[in-house]
Amino acid sequence: AQSVSQHNHHVILSEAASLELGCNYSYGGTVNLFWYVQYPGQHLQLLLKYFSGDPLVKGIKGFEAEFIKSKFSFNLRKPSVQWSDTAEYFCAVLGAGGADFGNEKLTFGTGTRLTIIP
Amino acid sequence: DGGITQSPKYLFRKEGQNVTLSCEQNLNHDAMYWYRQDPGQGLRLIYYSQIVNDFQKGDIAEGYSVSREKKESFPLTVTSAQKNPTAFYLCASSANRVTTGNTIYFGEGSWLTVV
Repeated sequence: AQSVSQHNHHVILSEAASLELGCNYSYGGTVNLFWYVQYPGQHLQLLLKYFSGDPLVKGIKGFEAEFIKSKFSFNLRKPSVQWSDTAEYFCAVLGAGGADFGNEKLTFGTGTRLTIIP
Repeated sequence: DGGITQSPKYLFRKEGQNVTLSCEQNLNHDAMYWYRQDPGQGLRLIYYSQIVNDFQKGDIAEGYSVSREKKESFPLTVTSAQKNPTAFYLCASSANRVTTGNTIYFGEGSWLTVV
C-alpha cells in the first residue's frame, strides 16, 4: 500500500523568505507525484505533477518540486514567497503499476498549512 | 464556464437521516471521485468511477453509496450507517485514468454537519 507523509503541519514565514515543504512517500514501485494547493475559500488546484523524465518539476506561481527517488521524497520549494501564497498544500502519490494501478487511489498527505506574514 | 459543481455547499442533517450530495461536471471527463477531508487527515477516497454505470469502493466506502447513471453526474449518499459523517466532501473528475497523465480537478466542496 502507498502512503504519504507531510511532516510540517503549519509553517509560518515572512514575505520574501524561501520555502521548502517536505513530502515523503512510501511505495515500492514507480510513482506519480502531485502537489495540490487549497487557497482560503477556494477549491483544490494542481500546482505541479511528476510522471517521468526530469526529476525537477516546475509548476505554477513560481513553485517547483524535486523528485529524489533514493529518499522517497518530493519536496515543494519556492525561492521567495508572497502573502498570496497563504494556503494549505497537499502532496499526493499514485503508485503506478502496483496494487493500486488502474484503481486510481490517489493518496493524499495530511496537508501543510502555510501562513505568510506581510 | 467549464468545471465541477457541488451542491449544496452547506448541509445540516439530523442523526439517522440519509443525505445526498450532488456533483455535476461539464468537462466531459470519464472518471469521477469522491473524497472526504477531515482536519489533520488529508483527503481520503470514498468512491470512484472510471466509466458510466461502474464504480469502485475507495478506502473509506462504508456508510456511503454512489451511482453513475450519467457521465456528468456522480451523486454521493451519506447513509445513517456512516458513524462520523460530519466532514468536508470533495468531488473530483479527470479526463481518464490518472496513470495516463491526466490531472484530477476538484469541485469547491460540500460541508456536511450532523446535528
